[in-house]
Amino acid sequence: KAGVTQTPRYLIKTRGQQVTLSCSPISGHRSVSWYQQTPGQGLQFLFEYFSETQRNKGNFPGRFSGRQFSNSRSEMNVSTLELGDSALYLCASSSWGQGYFLGENIQYFGAGTRLSVL
Amino acid sequence: GNSVTQMEGPVTLSEEAFLTINCTYTATGYPSLFWYVQYPGEGLQLLLKATKADDKGSNKGFEATYRKETTSFHLEKGSVQVSDSAVYFCALSRVTSGSRLTFGEGTQLTVNP
Repeated sequence: KAGVTQTPRYLIKTRGQQVTLSCSPISGHRSVSWYQQTPGQGLQFLFEYFSETQRNKGNFPGRFSGRQFSNSRSEMNVSTLELGDSALYLCASSSWGQGYFLGENIQYFGAGTRLSVL
Repeated sequence: GNSVTQMEGPVTLSEEAFLTINCTYTATGYPSLFWYVQYPGEGLQLLLKATKADDKGSNKGFEATYRKETTSFHLEKGSVQVSDSAVYFCALSRVTSGSRLTFGEGTQLTVNP
């Protein structure tokens, strides 16, 4: 089975621009979560999508948004970029909550997209 | 709210030394607990997990026991190798938070030959 694929791996943007990151989950997984990783704040949860619906949301400003398509692929968008948005953005997929029983919450992570805002 | 606290790093050991990375958590109820590892330039990989009190998770020589009474999930390995050099994250999840993981700060481990 192919793992979680994130594209692109690296991005350089300037302040005020917007950016879209993409995540393809493991085949069959309907849950996709996004995390921001920075040296100062560590790993912080952005949001989770399940079957095209946002199921959970972290404490990030509205500039951060996401969506999920019918094939479970997900995108996240950051508008009006700030210097502080420079980070590694990680996507994770799981099958949690898909069955009759919730199952174990095993998250599979992609390699991430490293965003640099200049 | 939920939180995870890891021992401050970085940690530097010689090959074959004993490893302990402390992790304590704050959460109501009975969260699931995890250790993830991140190698340079890569995403996170699940190392081990435990879903109820007194469960022991183990993988690749690493072990951690879910201690409800001390709200801890310390990671241990009897003999580390150079290839174990990475950043280790303790994390928890709760059913009421969906699949959301709450992570600790991470501990950088360097193992010297």
